[in-house]
Amino acid sequence: DVKVTQSSRYLVKRTGEKVFLECVQDMDHENMFWYRQDPGLGLRLIYFSYDVKMKEKGDIPEGYSVSREKKERFSLILESASTNQTSMYLCASSFGTSGMKDTQYFGPGTRLTVL
Amino acid sequence: AQKITQTQPGMFVQEKEAVTLDCTYDTSDPSYGLFWYKQPSSGEMIFLIYQGSYDQQNATEGRYSLNFQKARKSANLVISASQLGDSAMYFCAMSEITGANNLFFGTGTRLTVIP
Repeated sequence: DVKVTQSSRYLVKRTGEKVFLECVQDMDHENMFWYRQDPGLGLRLIYFSYDVKMKEKGDIPEGYSVSREKKERFSLILESASTNQTSMYLCASSFGTSGMKDTQYFGPGTRLTVL
Repeated sequence: AQKITQTQPGMFVQEKEAVTLDCTYDTSDPSYGLFWYKQPSSGEMIFLIYQGSYDQQNATEGRYSLNFQKARKSANLVISASQLGDSAMYFCAMSEITGANNLFFGTGTRLTVIP
């Protein structure tokens, strides 16, 4: 079974704080993704990575950065948290070798509140 | 333009009945993949079923089937014999051959199964 874990289920931070969201997968997947989910908007891609130290911007990268120093770990960083970054954050991973059949497997999500 | 459209914000179904969740998509790629995910209240996105644009048969996985109508650009999910545990958010998603393994998600449909 694919296992994707996220460091926290719930997180409360203050405006201006630096926030780290960690994601770890145990299936040797090449690709990893960070999404945010907001009611009525579905999932929107923030960043993804197809290899160690490689990253690509998604649809809404502003205010976020990422780090992938090891294959199994993909971190999302909010440099200076703002209230409009209050959201559910979902991490996913995939093999990366199946082209458009590549199934993404998700972690349980982190619900971040920025006060 | 929205790549994935789910027009039903909420649906109700009686236990043991079948239900269809609608999904239409928009792409100019000749090859693409269509996915359905389930998100229970716990938050984790669970992969349900996949359909490739060149697959001749409609995909089936247990009680889930995908009613794929290419000319109409629709990929509806059919759940047969609904169970109380099927109550969840359901998301339709698409990958494109040019999309570097990204998924485009719809806004979701909340299904409630009534005893």
